Amino acid sequence: KAGVTQTPRYLIKTRGQQVTLSCSPISGHRSVSWYQQTPGQGLQFLFEYFSETQRNKGNFPGRFSGRQFSNSRSEMNVSTLELGDSALYLCASSRRDRENSPLHFGNGTRLTVT
Amino acid sequence: QKEVEQDPGPLSVPEGAIVSLNCTYSNSAFQYFMWYRQYSRKGPELLMYTYSSGNKEDGRFTAQVDKSSKYISLFIRDSQPSDSATYLCAMSSNTGNQFYFGTGTSLTVIP
Repeated sequence: KAGVTQTPRYLIKTRGQQVTLSCSPISGHRSVSWYQQTPGQGLQFLFEYFSETQRNKGNFPGRFSGRQFSNSRSEMNVSTLELGDSALYLCASSRRDRENSPLHFGNGTRLTVT
Repeated sequence: QKEVEQDPGPLSVPEGAIVSLNCTYSNSAFQYFMWYRQYSRKGPELLMYTYSSGNKEDGRFTAQVDKSSKYISLFIRDSQPSDSATYLCAMSSNTGNQFYFGTGTSLTVIP
């Protein structure tokens, strides 16, 4: 069974630009969550999508947005990039049609903002 | 106070040693507990998934949950250099609306 796939693996952007990251979940998983990982803050929850609806949201500014498509694939968008947005962005999928299925992570997109 | 506390280490042990990794938490509603292993430049990989209190064993790995003390542990027996990674604990409540992660413990196993 294929794991969670994230593209691209690496991105370099300039302050003020916007970026879109993509995630394909494990087949059969309907929930996709996004996390930001930095050395100082660890894993920070961005949002979760289930059946194309945002189900939970973390404490990030509105510049961070996402969506989920009917095939459960998800995209995350960050507008007006800031230097502090440099991080590893991780996507995780789970079944979530029953409570408390664990998260399965992709290898992330490493975003560098210069 | 953070929901989940984890000693960041770094922890360095000789090959073959028994490793103990720990997390404490403050929310008594947490019922589901997970351990992830993260290699450099990779995403976290699910190692262990347990419910409520007790022990769970999988090969060289044993996960322990003590809900009365709000304390969870991961033991690695006969540690190998390939176990060198960052280990993250995670937990969620029955509603499972959100997962809470520790900051990770960096482990190095020296050959």
